[in-house]
This record gives sequence, C-alpha cells and structure tokens, in this order.
Amino acid sequence: AQSVAQPEDQVNVAEGNPLTVKCTYSVSGNPYLFWYVQYPNRGLQFLLKYITGDNLVKGSYGFEAEFNKSQTSFHLKKPSALVSDSALYFCAVRDVKGNTPLVFGKGTRLSVIA
Amino acid sequence: DGGITQSPKYLFRKEGQNVTLSCEQNLNHDAMYWYRQDPGQGLRLIYYSQIVNDFQKGDIAEGYSVSREKKESFPLTVTSAQKNPTAFYLCASSLRQEHQPQHFGDGTRLSIL
Repeated sequence: AQSVAQPEDQVNVAEGNPLTVKCTYSVSGNPYLFWYVQYPNRGLQFLLKYITGDNLVKGSYGFEAEFNKSQTSFHLKKPSALVSDSALYFCAVRDVKGNTPLVFGKGTRLSVIA
Repeated sequence: DGGITQSPKYLFRKEGQNVTLSCEQNLNHDAMYWYRQDPGQGLRLIYYSQIVNDFQKGDIAEGYSVSREKKESFPLTVTSAQKNPTAFYLCASSLRQEHQPQHFGDGTRLSIL
C-alpha cells in the first residue's frame, strides 16, 4: 500500500527566509513523487516531480525538492519565501510498478509573513 | 487553450436529490479522476477511469456514481445515498504513464440546502 505523511498542518515563515515543507512516503517499490500547490477555491497546480536520477529536483516558481531514499522523504524547499507563496501544499506518491492513482498527503498550509 | 473545465462552480442540493457535476478535458488524456476535499483531510479518491467505458472505485465511492462514455468527459453524480455531500469536488486528468502528473480543474463546491 502507498501512503504519504505531511507531519505539519501549518508552517509559518518570514518573507525572505528559506522555507521547508516536509513529506515522507511509503511504497513497496520505488516511488514517483509529486508536489502540488493549491490557492483558495482553486484546483491543484503541479510544482515538480521526482522520477529518477538527480535527488534534487527543481520546479516552478523557484521551488525545489530533495529526494532522500534512506529517509523516505521528499521535502519541498525554497531559498527565499514570498508572501505570494502562502497556500496549501500537497505531496503525492505513486509506486513505479503499480497501476494506481496518486495518493495525496493531507496538505500543509504555508503562511509567509511580511 | 488546453485544460480541464468543471461546472458549475457552486452547486446546491436538496434532500433526496441527485446532482451531477461536470468535468470536461481537452488535453487528450486517457485517465480521469474525481476527488473529494474536506478541510484537514486532504484529497480522497472517489472514482477513476483509465480508459473510455471503464472506471474503478476509489476509497470513498459509496453514494457516488460516474460514467465515461467519451474520452473528454467524466461526470460525477452525487446521489441521495451520500448523506454528507458538502465538500469541494476536484476533477483531474493525466496521461496513462505513471510518472505523468495529474492536471486539475478548479473544482465544484457542493452544499446542502
């Protein structure tokens, strides 16, 4: 079975500071990992994904994520947070060998304070 | 402009009534999905379809029904058997390859009158 945990319901960070949103996963095989962002009353927007290769993945809007196989983590990061980054962030996983839909975490609300 | 269109944006249901949420995509994606979003619970999968005329139940299919008669369309019916239908409903689509991301519509908010 696949699962994703986002251990923090809320993350607060000052504008200009680095931000991290945490994600850990569980799959029986190797994972495909995704990050999405959701603004109020909107659908999810794709930010980035890890398939294979380089553990540091770069995505949209200056976001990046680091895949760590030993810790089964895929934390989302940004070097300098903007107020406009305030939103709900979702991590999702799919087993490489499975033919199943994505499994999403419960989301982390990021608040960037000016 | 390619994308996923969900309609209506807001929908109200009376007791005992079935309502249908529309989802249309022009991305030429084979797979389509319906999720329910409640505060603090993330996204829960209701139904998904990987090909026309075929669909599978997700984690919370009870009280819902779907059809997939056309590649572009995947309507969701919330039946009267769904006793707590108030939620934000999201439709998504993707190419069938497992590493492809899902693309989402802007959702339908369903409330009870």
